[in-house]
Amino acid sequence: NAGVTQTPKFRILKIGQSMTLQCAQDMNHNYMYWYRQDPGMGLKLIYYSVGAGITDKGEVPNGYNVSRSTTEYFPLRLELAAPSQTSVYFCASSYSRGPARVNTEAFFGQGTRLTVV
Amino acid sequence: QQPVQSPQAVILREGEDAVINCSSSKALYSVHWYRQKHGEAPVFLMILLKGGEQKGHEKISASFNEKKQQSSLYLTASQLSYSGTYFCGTEGGAQKLVFGQGTRLTINP
Repeated sequence: NAGVTQTPKFRILKIGQSMTLQCAQDMNHNYMYWYRQDPGMGLKLIYYSVGAGITDKGEVPNGYNVSRSTTEYFPLRLELAAPSQTSVYFCASSYSRGPARVNTEAFFGQGTRLTVV
Repeated sequence: QQPVQSPQAVILREGEDAVINCSSSKALYSVHWYRQKHGEAPVFLMILLKGGEQKGHEKISASFNEKKQQSSLYLTASQLSYSGTYFCGTEGGAQKLVFGQGTRLTINP
């Protein structure tokens, strides 16, 4: 199993450009997440999804959009890139269990290092 | 709402013990612990569920006080390989997993 795969690994964008960060998982997980991690800082939740067709905002959603048409894929769209979006982006997936649908362990992709200049 | 971790950084000698704390202002369904090495993705260590279920490693364990919304990670007889940044992640409902700011652990020989 590949687990969680993110592409690209590195990208340099110019201010105002747009791009899509790709994320795919092959574990049939229902939950998927996008986080950003600024240098020396923690993980901030951008958007998350509890299943195909269902997405919701996290802590820092401004400037980003997501869609989830299938269980496997959860792309993150950056519109009008700004220097403040320079960061490492991690996609993660997990599945829920039990009547309370509590998360189990999250598997992370290797990250996309994005620089906006 | 992000959980708060303490301390922000710890420096130990190999063989010493460490405790990392995580607290939340919200009622929690679960607490996760992850370790991240420099330049790598976070890796799962353990999860603690409301009601007491727990997974763990041999010399790494954790506790979860549901009433206080607090968790602590215990690393005993630390090894050089334990170095990294430790994150707690909390789930307070809506299946949303949010992380603390991290605790940087340095183990010296």
